[in-house]
Amino acid sequence: AQSVTQLDSQVPVFEEAPVELRCNYSSSVSVYLFWYVQYPNQGLQLLLKYLSGSTLVESINGFEAEFNKSQTSFHLRKPSVHISDTAEYFCAVSYNTDKLIFGTGTRLQVFP
Amino acid sequence: DTAVSQTPKYLVTQMGNDKSIKCEQNLGHDTMYWYKQDSKKFLKIMFSYNNKELIINETVPNRFSPKSPDKAHLNLHINSLELGDSAVYFCASSYSSEAFFGQGTRLTVV
Repeated sequence: AQSVTQLDSQVPVFEEAPVELRCNYSSSVSVYLFWYVQYPNQGLQLLLKYLSGSTLVESINGFEAEFNKSQTSFHLRKPSVHISDTAEYFCAVSYNTDKLIFGTGTRLQVFP
Repeated sequence: DTAVSQTPKYLVTQMGNDKSIKCEQNLGHDTMYWYKQDSKKFLKIMFSYNNKELIINETVPNRFSPKSPDKAHLNLHINSLELGDSAVYFCASSYSSEAFFGQGTRLTVV
């Protein structure tokens, strides 16, 4: 079955520390991968996406994710987090259809 | 201008009532969706429409009926509301595999 796994339900981290949010997906020949962020009481915003080409993708606010086909992973990283990064982060995959399958989310809590 | 807008943002209603949530997108996308986010933040697709035609209908009770009067609108009507229907419902539209979400409608059934 098609699935997305986010192993960490919560990640607490101090401000300016690095962070990695893990995401693994069930294998397929062709996938599109996404990270969405949800701030409290808000909708989901696209953070970054991998459709094809370079396996390393970046967002405008310093996050990056690397598509690793052999490990079926798409981990999200940021070298130095800010308080404002506190949010719920969702990894999602599309198996060449219009349907997005979401992981269960990781709550990133940044402490001062 | 809001790209994907849903109304209402909050909805509190009693069990057994019928309610509707409206969604409109001004992005010109052909595909629209309804997702449900439960109390544990888990997101699951309910329906997908492409150009007013139903494409995806996940295992959703038939009390839930989507309606797409045109490709910019996808409304969700829910009959005989139950306590378990309490959740946040998100509308989305997409183009080239990128989905844009509305702000969500928090439905509370009491």
